[in-house]
Amino acid sequence: DAKTTQPNSMESNEEEPVHLPCNHSTISGTDYIHWYRQLPSQGPEYVIHGLTSNVNNRMASLAIAEDRKSSTLILHRATLRDAAVYYCILREEGGADGLTFGKGTHLIIQP
Amino acid sequence: DAGITQSPRHKVTETGTPVTLRCHQTENHRYMYWYRQDPGHGLRLIHYSYGVKDTDKGEVSDGYSVSRSKTEDFLLTLESATSSQTSVYFCAISESGTAAYEQYFGPGTRLTVT
Repeated sequence: DAKTTQPNSMESNEEEPVHLPCNHSTISGTDYIHWYRQLPSQGPEYVIHGLTSNVNNRMASLAIAEDRKSSTLILHRATLRDAAVYYCILREEGGADGLTFGKGTHLIIQP
Repeated sequence: DAGITQSPRHKVTETGTPVTLRCHQTENHRYMYWYRQDPGHGLRLIHYSYGVKDTDKGEVSDGYSVSRSKTEDFLLTLESATSSQTSVYFCAISESGTAAYEQYFGPGTRLTVT
């Protein structure tokens, strides 16, 4: 899977929106952008994914730049439960079937 | 939440003993995966399965074997456990192995090899 770059950590306040950035300048045309998160002492949890268009689901929104070289995961109203490590992962169509996890962004939520 | 369970959740074993970890799903998903998570390495793929009796190796498959005799169960075996296999093991499932599909993870098994 192609490489992604994320900030090591970010801090936000409870009940405020959070924008988590991810750079993927070497993305290819068929790579999907996936986001997972991992709460302390739990398994990774699927958040959202997309290819070219922005995506929304009950957990978050995914904003994809027009050139697809970056994306932003948006948590509309952070809660303490959103404190986790967030992973931005590119998945190649036809590539290896596993997910390649980087170091992710450690999101800290202040009450 | 996807129906994925792992057993045991915790295990301590001695070097040289065989260990089998079980992943069970109730979603009827075709693909199943085993990952390990270690500090400083993130999650790494050990083996995966794309159907009953169909498996393939991942990034860190040495020292591990897998079996899948039923859609719902995927077993990970350490034939002779070593201290380097002390880790947290996660199972995941997916409807498809293509990039357009997400994976759902189990709660993990913490294995300590003494």
